[in-house]
Amino acid sequence: EVQLVESGGGLVQPGGSLRLSCAASGFTFSSYWMSWVRQAPGKGLEWVANIKQDGSEKYYVDSVKGRFTISRDNAKNSLYLQMNSLRAEDTAVYYCARDFGDIVGLRYYYYGMDVWGQGTTVTVSS
Amino acid sequence: DIQMTQSPSSVSASVGDRVTITCRASQGISSWLAWYQQKPGKAPKLLIYAASSLQSGVPSRFSGSGSGTDFTLTISSLQPEDFATYYCQQANSFPPYTFGQGTKLEIK
Repeated sequence: EVQLVESGGGLVQPGGSLRLSCAASGFTFSSYWMSWVRQAPGKGLEWVANIKQDGSEKYYVDSVKGRFTISRDNAKNSLYLQMNSLRAEDTAVYYCARDFGDIVGLRYYYYGMDVWGQGTTVTVSS
Repeated sequence: DIQMTQSPSSVSASVGDRVTITCRASQGISSWLAWYQQKPGKAPKLLIYAASSLQSGVPSRFSGSGSGTDFTLTISSLQPEDFATYYCQQANSFPPYTFGQGTKLEIK
């Protein structure tokens, strides 16, 4: 069964740090771009970051640049999100997701995210 | 960044009804649009990609159309399990891959 399982969420004070993990199973993890998406309480979805198969390319939404770092360990089939200098507005459920796309010639075409974890909750509060 | 605007923000409908949700991009995105369904307390589920391609396992009552800046998600005959919140997402340019604000589909 294709599965993503997040862990590492919790309560942290403003300015603190947290590291989220996402364990993948049931598919060849090293063949996919992977993303983190978050959802603040009662709000919509926000794409946070993604990372290329070999970790050579990483992209972030402006609001987390310089504070969050996405990484992966293909040997462990795991995705990570290191979150530093946390703010109250980072409070959300964080989902890891598998990017769904296709390679035509030398170009990668992104279609969306086809596999999602159940989410892990991050609360930033004093 | 490309802004995505969905309408309506919420809609009430009955089982068996046909429902259409609209998504508008702030600039042309060709057919690079995905639709997701999210139920309370659950992760989103991919329904449609490339504006009109049905994701594997998704019932055929769901369909998508549009290109450029205007897109629609149509549910041809609402079933009880379809009451949820629906999001569009542009897949044309990043970062970031932006989502619409969501449309909540409620039972009338």
